[in-house]
Amino acid sequence: QKEVEQNSGPLSVPEGAIASLNCTYSDRGSQSFFWYRQYSGKSPELIMSIYSNGDKEDGRFTAQLNKASQYVSLLIRDSQPSDSATYLCAVNTNRDDKIIFGKGTRLHILP
Amino acid sequence: EAGVAQSPRYKIIEKRQSVAFWCNPISGHATLYWYQQILGQGPKLLIQFQNNGVVDDSQLPKDRFSAERLKGVDSTLKIQPAKLEDSAVYLCASSLSHQNTGELFFGEGSRLTVL
Repeated sequence: QKEVEQNSGPLSVPEGAIASLNCTYSDRGSQSFFWYRQYSGKSPELIMSIYSNGDKEDGRFTAQLNKASQYVSLLIRDSQPSDSATYLCAVNTNRDDKIIFGKGTRLHILP
Repeated sequence: EAGVAQSPRYKIIEKRQSVAFWCNPISGHATLYWYQQILGQGPKLLIQFQNNGVVDDSQLPKDRFSAERLKGVDSTLKIQPAKLEDSAVYLCASSLSHQNTGELFFGEGSRLTVL
């Protein structure tokens, strides 16, 4: 089983709608979870981090964590064309503080 | 504040040749990472340094890849000899402390094409 799994997409969402991105992880002892955004040809940049169960909101972005289900998600409200990118889920496995990335989900916001 | 610097940005070599990539992390960042990102995939951790010591290199193909972090600052990643499957973007990232919050700051990457 891969350590961090994401649906590779592409996920197409109309402009103004809610985009929902999902991620599962295998290491039950993981404590820290992150969403990075990567535009085509660019490097990843951190957009959200979450450490405890529940929701964390930052502007149009909401990260959700359920440790019992080993599941983390990212919601993007009022999606904009500029949100079109690959979204990488990353997990700190707590084994030597390794940060493991999923394959990423490609998101297309349709104007 | 200056970001993570990497060079070269692009490199084209033939298989069995060698190549070296250089990374200068953000000043004061103790932890430095090298990731390999093949097109369409997520970044794969190759090696992680804490200051000038190796924390994890379990995914580094040690028969052909080597890396060092001189004096706990700059780092070099070398591939010798290169294979076709080494074609990828090599991303260097740094973070502030060993108590890793997961906030990695990435350089622009070095894109390697092996012919």
